[in-house]
Amino acid sequence: GEDVEQSLFLSVREGDSSVINCTYTDSSSTYLYWYKQEPGAGLQLLTYIFSNMDMKQDQRLTVLLNKKDKHLSLRIADTQTGDSAIYFCAETAGRRALTFGSGTRLQVQP
Amino acid sequence: KAGVTQTPRYLIKTRGQQVTLSCSPISGHRSVSWYQQTPGQGLQFLFEYFSETQRNKGNFPGRFSGRQFSNSRSEMNVSTLELGDSALYLCASSPRLAGGPLGDTQYFGPGTRLTVL
Repeated sequence: GEDVEQSLFLSVREGDSSVINCTYTDSSSTYLYWYKQEPGAGLQLLTYIFSNMDMKQDQRLTVLLNKKDKHLSLRIADTQTGDSAIYFCAETAGRRALTFGSGTRLQVQP
Repeated sequence: KAGVTQTPRYLIKTRGQQVTLSCSPISGHRSVSWYQQTPGQGLQFLFEYFSETQRNKGNFPGRFSGRQFSNSRSEMNVSTLELGDSALYLCASSPRLAGGPLGDTQYFGPGTRLTVL
């Protein structure tokens, strides 16, 4: 079945760039998403990319997709303490429901 | 536009009871999906409703059920609660047009935290 994997934890200093990585197994994935979850809250959609794209930039966020290696990354430029949260990668294709990774906890140190 | 709203935000129940959770999607969104989030299993898909019909179902027992009303609001019900049902239940809405991909962007509510004692 479909599987999405992420590293569990990332720690960066305020002002640095953060790069959160994700790998997926389904080569037919057509939509890939990044969601952010703060403590006690639901999921906030950050950005998404279609499989026919290599890169998408949205203000401080840059998404890179390597379809050959089934690798997705989220780069956050000038990381702030308010970026501390859990980041989920998710993918889907066709009529299939979203498959989520286990989430990467980003800790931003002042 | 108002976001996805879920009620109640917190619930405490005991084993064997049943519970009903409610979700109001973003205005104009016709698709509502439900997810269960636990520390052990992560985020797992429960089911999706579109125009009052269940379009997709995850791998959960029949104790978990749902429905959608004509105004797109959705409810999910869990009967005969077990300790393992303690979780954050998230609802997501999407503008997905009929026949479109489920991956059409989903917007999540704040969740209902269910604790089963």
